Amino acid sequence: QSVVTQPPSASGTPGQSVTISCAGSRSNIGSNTVNWYQQFPGTAPKLLIYTMNQRPSGVPDRFSGSKSGTSASLAISGLQSEDEADYYCAAWDDSLNGYVFGTGTRVSVL
Amino acid sequence: EVQLVESGGGLVKPGGSLRLSCVASGFSFSHDTLTWVRQTPGRGLEWVSSISSSGSHTYYADSLKGRLTISRDNAKNSLYLQMNSLRAEDTAVYYCGRFATGLDAFDIWGQGTMVTVSS
Repeated sequence: QSVVTQPPSASGTPGQSVTISCAGSRSNIGSNTVNWYQQFPGTAPKLLIYTMNQRPSGVPDRFSGSKSGTSASLAISGLQSEDEADYYCAAWDDSLNGYVFGTGTRVSVL
Repeated sequence: EVQLVESGGGLVKPGGSLRLSCVASGFSFSHDTLTWVRQTPGRGLEWVSSISSSGSHTYYADSLKGRLTISRDNAKNSLYLQMNSLRAEDTAVYYCGRFATGLDAFDIWGQGTMVTVSS
């Protein structure tokens, strides 16, 4: 069971904004950088956001990340049908001396 | 083309062993920390193990420590995961990934290899 918790699902209509929360602790999100990964069914995860709010080349600026204390958030603005996927936050955990992924959130576009 | 390609997955009986491989191309393999991450069917991602660029430092998830050995051969651009005493709960897709130090994130992922532990 992951020590970093996300809501299991989130949804919105095309054009709306959706925010996914990621709740951790002082030893992971509270102390280290947070990354976000996007995963489509049957495929490998893809890096979406790194170092809190940086986007790799090719990732639309509709995706943005933020962090406050021991929690982080991923915001998707101008939701599009191709954004339907699973989203995971992740961070190094100093207590576990390992990397922890959030429980994952499935985003649906209604 | 930058890519990682895993192999070695398959069906194994409980208590058995398996060695996964991951071959890299298109980037400076020997400079990077590499990682194994697994995903159980219908479930989330779980970090398994990481190894430093030289292979001198290894890290394991507490729940798996003692049953796994991660290693690499920089001359062959290859990463390995030796898994012993396998259990049904080890059934998962195993991904290898590159941890990009500059990004502090996993930026390259393989396509995954399926491991099924069942009698």
